[in-house]
Amino acid sequence: EDQVTQSPEALRLQEGESSSLNCSYTVSGLRGLFWYRQDPGKGPEFLFTLYSAGEEKEKERLKATLTKKESFLHITAPKPEDSATYLCAVQAGNTDKLIFGTGTRLQVFP
Amino acid sequence: KAGVTQTPRYLIKTRGQQVTLSCSPISGHRSVSWYQQTPGQGLQFLFEYFSETQRNKGNFPGRFSGRQFSNSRSEMNVSTLELGDSALYLCASSLDGEQYFGPGTRLTVT
Repeated sequence: EDQVTQSPEALRLQEGESSSLNCSYTVSGLRGLFWYRQDPGKGPEFLFTLYSAGEEKEKERLKATLTKKESFLHITAPKPEDSATYLCAVQAGNTDKLIFGTGTRLQVFP
Repeated sequence: KAGVTQTPRYLIKTRGQQVTLSCSPISGHRSVSWYQQTPGQGLQFLFEYFSETQRNKGNFPGRFSGRQFSNSRSEMNVSTLELGDSALYLCASSLDGEQYFGPGTRLTVT
C-alpha cells in the first residue's frame, strides 16, 4: 500500500536555527513528490515538485532533496514567517491523485 | 493568473441535509481533484475529474459524489450529512500533474 510518513510531527526552532524535515515514502511507480506549505485555515500552497532521485530544488530559505526512499526539506536560517505546517505528498500511476503525509508543524520563534 | 476558487467558504448544515460545494479551476487546467482534511485523518483524496470524466475515486461512501462541467468547473455533493463530515474540503486543479489548491470550504455539520 502506498504510504507517506513525515517526521517530526512538530518542530520548534529559534530564528536563524537551520533544520530539516523528513518525508519517507513507499509507492509503486513514483511520478512525483510534492512539498506544500499550509497556514491555519488556508489551502496548501505549492512549494516544489521532485521527480527523480538526486534532484534538488531551492526557493528562498527552503531546499528540497529526493532519494529513492525519502525527501528532505531543509530550512536555512528560518524566520518567524516560515512558521506553518509543511506537507509532503506523492503521486503515482497515471492519475493526479496525491497521497499526503500528516505534516510537520513548524514554529519559528524570534 | 487567478487561482483556484471555491464557494462557499463556510457552511453550516444539519445532520441529514445535503450540500453542494463548487470549485473553479485555474484557467486552462482540465484536471480537478477533491480532498477532505480533518485533524484526525489529515488530507484524504475524494475523487479526480478530467475532461468531465471521473478518473479516480478515493475510499469514501457513496454519499460523496462529484461532477465536472465542460468548462472544467467542478462540484461535489454530500448527501445525508453526518457529524463526521465536518471538515475542510479542498479542491485542486492541475495542468501537468502539479496540483494547486483553493482556499477550501469549511463545512460544519451540527
